[in-house]
Amino acid sequence: LAKTTQPISMDSYEGQEVNITCSHNNIATNDYITWYQQFPSQGPRFIIQGYKTKVTNEVASLFIPADRKSSTLSLPRVSLSDTAVYYCLVGPIFDDKIIFGKGTRLHILP
Amino acid sequence: EAQVTQNPRYLITVTGKKLTVTCSQNMNHEYMSWYRQDPGLGLRQIYYSMNVEVTDKGDVPEGYKVSRKEKRNFPLILESPSPNQTSLYFCASSTQGPETQYFGPGTRLLVL
Repeated sequence: LAKTTQPISMDSYEGQEVNITCSHNNIATNDYITWYQQFPSQGPRFIIQGYKTKVTNEVASLFIPADRKSSTLSLPRVSLSDTAVYYCLVGPIFDDKIIFGKGTRLHILP
Repeated sequence: EAQVTQNPRYLITVTGKKLTVTCSQNMNHEYMSWYRQDPGLGLRQIYYSMNVEVTDKGDVPEGYKVSRKEKRNFPLILESPSPNQTSLYFCASSTQGPETQYFGPGTRLLVL
């Protein structure tokens, strides 16, 4: 399982676009990149998953450069309710184990 | 409604008193897993199950047992709880692997 590095915490303001970068230098060919969001006192929630280039859904976008050694989760026009911990995970799809790491604590200010 | 349920949500117990935390999912998922979450340590996987009667250890299995007799249920058993098992526990499930899991609401356990 590839080790990931993310910032411990970030602050931003309502209405801004927030980008959280995750480094995964030893990503393997069959690894996917997955992001989860966790609100206080709740279980993590799947946000987005990708393999290369760009993936977009109704919640976020995921940008993955050609070398795949990093990825950026982009949250457009954040609101106070986006305050949460965001986890970057890297591993093969349908693998049996997963490592969450400590995540990035995002704090949105009014 | 598709969901993962856990019971109890809150539990205070004493050292050595056996307890079981139940987990049930209604999505016909093959994969189920248990995690514990502690301040500063993030989420750590305890046990997982790829299907009925198939279970395996995660990163922190010591002091825990699991069983998977039915597809929908995956109970976590603490035979002799100790204070270091005080934690927030999450159960999760997914169709085939851990990449896109649905998480339960969590069980907050305090072992005195």
